[in-house]
Amino acid sequence: GAVVSQHPSRVICKSGTSVKIECRSLDFQATTMFWYRQFPKQSLMLMATSNEGSKATYEQGVEKDKFLINHASLTLSTLTVTSAHPEDSSFYICSARDMGLAIADTQYFGPGTRLTVL
Amino acid sequence: KNQVEQSPQSLIILEGKNCTLQCNYTVSPFSNLRWYKQDTGRGPVSLTIMTFSENTKSNGRYTATLDADTKQSSLHITASQLSDSASYICVVSSQSGTYKYIFGTGTRLKVLA
Repeated sequence: GAVVSQHPSRVICKSGTSVKIECRSLDFQATTMFWYRQFPKQSLMLMATSNEGSKATYEQGVEKDKFLINHASLTLSTLTVTSAHPEDSSFYICSARDMGLAIADTQYFGPGTRLTVL
Repeated sequence: KNQVEQSPQSLIILEGKNCTLQCNYTVSPFSNLRWYKQDTGRGPVSLTIMTFSENTKSNGRYTATLDADTKQSSLHITASQLSDSASYICVVSSQSGTYKYIFGTGTRLKVLA
């Protein structure tokens, strides 16, 4: 089955630093990847939609200059949290859409990255 | 407004018992409905997917139903196991635009020995 990986799985950083999270589709090509954020006991909230070779589309209220997204290849998207603050501490999950499937909107989720900003 | 609501918010059952989780949605135009299981600290894993014409779909001890007329779905778990303890998320996909997922609020299930 389709596998999506994320790296790192857990990261702790100091306030003011930047953190990069990678999302890879391991056995399929993903023209579209999604980045979600999840706070404790809440559901996933879409942050942005990342299309290979073009600029990401951000959801309302998400600062594009703070959450930099790069989708440079069909198997890799990165999310960089710039000048991180404690309120950015959260669980970040990516997903990748496999356009080769009959149900075109199927997303496969990564295992998530736990970010803690001190 | 496109919304997906789930009930109950949380549920505690004894190992071996059955349970049913509910999902109501107001998403239009409707494409499909999925149930995901999310273990704590992990990404969601797909359990079932149903399109408009499907009424029921099973995956092992998980059985999902869909009533497209009333816009309701349920997930029935049979003979629960300790490993079923997780959050269960109902996700509806809309045909419009970029096929975004609309997530339900989730049901946190705890199975006790």
